[in-house]
Parts: sequence; C-alpha cells; structure tokens
Amino acid sequence: DVKVTQSSRYLVKRTGEKVFLECVQDMDHENMFWYRQDPGLGLRLIYFSYDVKMKEKGDIPEGYSVSREKKERFSLILESASTNQTSMYLCASSLRGSPPKETQYFGPGTRLLVL
Amino acid sequence: DQQVKQNSPSLSVQEGRISILNCDYTNSMFDYFLWYKKYPAEGPTFLISISSIKDKNEDGRFTVFLNKSAKHLSLHIVPSQPGDSAVYFCAAKRVTDSWGKFQFGAGTQVVVTP
Repeated sequence: DVKVTQSSRYLVKRTGEKVFLECVQDMDHENMFWYRQDPGLGLRLIYFSYDVKMKEKGDIPEGYSVSREKKERFSLILESASTNQTSMYLCASSLRGSPPKETQYFGPGTRLLVL
Repeated sequence: DQQVKQNSPSLSVQEGRISILNCDYTNSMFDYFLWYKKYPAEGPTFLISISSIKDKNEDGRFTVFLNKSAKHLSLHIVPSQPGDSAVYFCAAKRVTDSWGKFQFGAGTQVVVTP
C-alpha cells in the first residue's frame, strides 16, 4: 500500500513566521505535489516536483516555495506566513507515466492556521 | 478560471437510493478523468477513473459515465450507503500533459441518511 505521510496534522503559526510542511512517501514515486484545499475552491496545485531537485509552479505558487532534496521527501515552505494562507494543505505522490500510473495518492493533510 | 466544475456543493440522499454526482469541464483536450473520495481529516482516496475512449466504467456500486460532446461526467453510486457520506472530487487531465498534473473540481459533499 502506498503511504504518504505529512509531518503535522495541525499547525498554528503567527503572521510573518517561516513555516515548513514536510511530506514523505514510501513508494519510490517520481512525482510529488502540494495542494491547498479551501471551501468552494477544491484542490488547487501550489507546486509539484517530477524528480529530485526539480520543481514546477502550479496554479497558485505565490508566497510558497518547495524543496526536494531526496526522492521520498517534498517540503513546502511559507517564507512569511500570512492569514490568507490559513488552509488545509495536502501532499500527494504518483508514478511517472501514462494513466493509470499517474493516479495520485494523498497524505492526510495539514490544517494550518495563521494568526 | 476553473476548468473543472462541480456545480452542486452538496447532495443528500436516502440510504439504498442512487446518488448522482455531476462534473463539467471546459477544456475539450481533457481525456482522462478520476473521481476521489475524501473523509474529514483524511486525504482524498482514488475511487474510479475513465478514459475518453470509453463512455462508461463500472466498479462495484460505482459507475462513471462520460459524455464527451457535452463535456460532462457523472458518478453514480447504487445503492448509497452511510459510509459513502464524504466529499467527492472529480479531476481531469490530458494524457499527453507531463508530470501527472490534474485539474480538480471544488467537490460535492454527499450525505447519506438512514
């Protein structure tokens, strides 16, 4: 079974703090993704990575950065947290290739509150 | 601009009846579609998929229908069970798009009542 874990289930941070969200997958997947989920907006892609040290911007990258130093680990960084970054953050991973290989497997999510 | 739309934010259905969830997309190049199910405090889990070479795919109580000309897909759950109460997301992509990027809809909250 694919397992995607996220370092925290709940986080409370203050405006201006630097925030790190960690994601680890154990299935040797090439692709990893960070989404945020907000009511009425669904899942929006922040960044994704298709290989170690490689990253691509998603639909809403502003205010975020990412790091992928090892294949199994993908970190999302909020350089200076703001209240509009309060959200549920979901990490996902998938194999590279044609569907159905590209089915994404999600972690449990991190609910971030920025005060 | 959302390319995948789920216009019903919520759906209430009686146990044993059919649940029908709808999803519309605007990009005619999309040719692969997924449905995910999400319980509170958990990540979405894959439910069922369909490729544009088919118009129907069935897996147990779940059937997905694709109408390419209308750019519309639907998920049917028959019969609905209390454990089906969850948020359902549809997702779409072009097979030729790199890196497995999907566009997701906003989700439909399904509540199955006894």
